[in-house]
Amino acid sequence: QKEVEQNSGPLSVPEGAIASLNCTYSDRGSQSFFWYRQYSGKSPELIMFIYSNGDKEDGRFTAQLNKASQYVSLLIRDSQPSDSATYLCAVRGSGGGADGLTFGKGTHLIIQP
Amino acid sequence: GEEVAQTPKHLVRGEGQKAKLYCAPIKGHSYVFWYQQVLKNEFKFLISFQNENVFDETGMPKERFSAKCLPNSPCSLEIQATKLEDSAVYFCASSQWFSPLHFGNGTRLTVT
Repeated sequence: QKEVEQNSGPLSVPEGAIASLNCTYSDRGSQSFFWYRQYSGKSPELIMFIYSNGDKEDGRFTAQLNKASQYVSLLIRDSQPSDSATYLCAVRGSGGGADGLTFGKGTHLIIQP
Repeated sequence: GEEVAQTPKHLVRGEGQKAKLYCAPIKGHSYVFWYQQVLKNEFKFLISFQNENVFDETGMPKERFSAKCLPNSPCSLEIQATKLEDSAVYFCASSQWFSPLHFGNGTRLTVT
């Protein structure tokens, strides 16, 4: 059984600070890792994806992957109130293009103005 | 199209009635996925397709749920004899090989 674990929060961060979101996964064969943002009542929106160990930066967002530790994280720099949402960590196995995502339960992030 | 299109947006059914949901994947995407989101953030995988072929249906309650992706038609997810516990938002997503999944806006099913 593939599992993805996230702290459900809420995680409260002051505006302008760095928000750090963490995720662990159980399947060592997992190949690709995704962070989605979901506002209440909306569909998940892709924020970042990462396939290789290390860091990947895109604007204010940095994804970090450590396959040895089975750990993925998302850093949000200069947090804005509009970043307040639920962040879903998702992991895809090695089964090919039709291998679906296994989602964590999400971390509720609140950016305090 | 450039978006995953799901219809209808909302669907209300009495317990025991049939519900049918539709999904048009992004043009050129070979893989289609259905997820059920109940109680805020718990995403449950239902089924995936590679073109019109079922790839993985381990998440489907087979006695009442069925799904199809036929050529030149929207994909569909059908629930026979709906139960109260089927009330959820059903998301469809599509992707190319190993690319990220792109999600539609979902269909909110309410079973009364």
